[in-house]
Amino acid sequence: QVQLVESGAEVKKPGSSVKVSCKASGGTFSSYAISWVRQAPGQGLEWMGGIIPILGIANYAQKFQGRVTITADKSTSTAYMELSSLRSEDTAVYYCARDKLELELTHGMDVWGQGTTVTVSS
Amino acid sequence: QSALTQPASVSGSPGQSITISCTGTSSDVGGYNYVSWYQQHPGKAPKLMIYDVSNRPSGVSNRFSGSKSGNTASLTISGLQAEDEADYYCSSYTSSSTNVFGTGTKVTVL
Repeated sequence: QVQLVESGAEVKKPGSSVKVSCKASGGTFSSYAISWVRQAPGQGLEWMGGIIPILGIANYAQKFQGRVTITADKSTSTAYMELSSLRSEDTAVYYCARDKLELELTHGMDVWGQGTTVTVSS
Repeated sequence: QSALTQPASVSGSPGQSITISCTGTSSDVGGYNYVSWYQQHPGKAPKLMIYDVSNRPSGVSNRFSGSKSGNTASLTISGLQAEDEADYYCSSYTSSSTNVFGTGTKVTVL
């Protein structure tokens, strides 16, 4: 049974960057898309982008284009999400999640990480 | 890409059926059979309840069902139970090769 474990909570200053990791264990990593989804306090879910590690190409939501970079390291079964130019509105829980079917970013996410809290405050 | 539109809240009594709608456009919900639904309890990660419009993952109760007509997808919960009280989100693949979530619906069991 695959599990996704994210890195720990972060506190960042406005204007800085944050990089969150998501390590997969117990299953196949490279052929399943990993998406990053965030949830601000009291708000809904927001898809930020995703990557299929074996293909190495990431897709990003228009809102985050130019500010987010999603990468994957097949050798360590770890995906990363880096968000730059942080502002207070980026304070949220950030989740990584794996798509249900291989080689596509389309079918729904059935395995989720525990979530990482990123707080942006001066 | 705008969020898909869901009602803010839906409620029902135990044993009743409720339906949550999810309205998008021909560039997302209406254009693909790639709508999924998630249940989220407070402080927890979302859980996949329906994928590809109407398919249930293994282990999800058959009280949950999904459908789609045009640009609107729907999630129906039959035989409502106290444990179904949660937030529910739809999601769709889009013509930009991205995903988009709905605004979310709070389900209350009266």
